[in-house]
Amino acid sequence: GQSLEQPSEVTAVEGAIVQINCTYQTSGFYGLSWYQQHDGGAPTFLSYNALDGLEETGRFSSFLSRSDSYGYLLLQELQMKDSASYFCAAKGGGGNKLTFGTGTQLKVEL
Amino acid sequence: DVKVTQSSRYLVKRTGEKVFLECVQDMDHENMFWYRQDPGLGLRLIYFSYDVKMKEKGDIPEGYSVSREKKERFSLILESASTNQTSMYLCASSSITLGLDNSPLHFGNGTRLTVT
Repeated sequence: GQSLEQPSEVTAVEGAIVQINCTYQTSGFYGLSWYQQHDGGAPTFLSYNALDGLEETGRFSSFLSRSDSYGYLLLQELQMKDSASYFCAAKGGGGNKLTFGTGTQLKVEL
Repeated sequence: DVKVTQSSRYLVKRTGEKVFLECVQDMDHENMFWYRQDPGLGLRLIYFSYDVKMKEKGDIPEGYSVSREKKERFSLILESASTNQTSMYLCASSSITLGLDNSPLHFGNGTRLTVT
C-alpha cells in the first residue's frame, strides 16, 4: 500500500521560514510532489522532486531523500497569503497514480 | 491554461439514489482522476483512467464506478448513494508520463456532495 505522513498543522509568523515534512511508504516510488490548497479552492501544483536534493522555485524549495523516504517543503519570507493547506503526494504504485498525504494546514500570523 | 470543469459545485441527493458526477478537461490529457477529500484524511484516490475505456481502482473504489467513453470526459458514479459518501469530490487530469517524469495534476473546483 501507499502512505504518506505529514504534520496536521504548522503555525509561523510573517517573514519567517517554515519547513513541512513528509515521510512516505510507496511501492514503485518515482517522485514526490507538493500541492497547495487555499480554503474553498482547488489544489495547485507547487513542485516535484524525482532525484535527491533541493529544488528551488522562488520563495519555495522542496527537498527529497530517497534513501530516507523523506521530503520537505521549505517556505521562506512567509506572507499571509501562504496560509493554506499543503499536501505531499507520491508518484508510484502503478504508472501515473498519485497518492496524497493527509495535508498540513499552515497558519501565518502577524 | 488547462481547464477542468466539474458539472456541479453543490449536490444534495437522497440515500439510495444513483448519482453521476461529471468532469470534462480541455487539454487532451490522457490521465484523469477522481479523489474525495475529507477533513483530516487528505485526498484519497477513488479511480483513475489513463485512456478511453480504461480504468484503474484507486485506494477506496468501493461503492463507486467510473466511465470514460471519451478522452475529455470522466464520470464518477455512485450506484446507490449512502450517507458515508457525503464528501468533496475532486476531479483532476494530467498528461501521461513515464518513469521519473512528472506531469502536474490540474484539478477542478470540486463538487460538494451531501447524501441525506
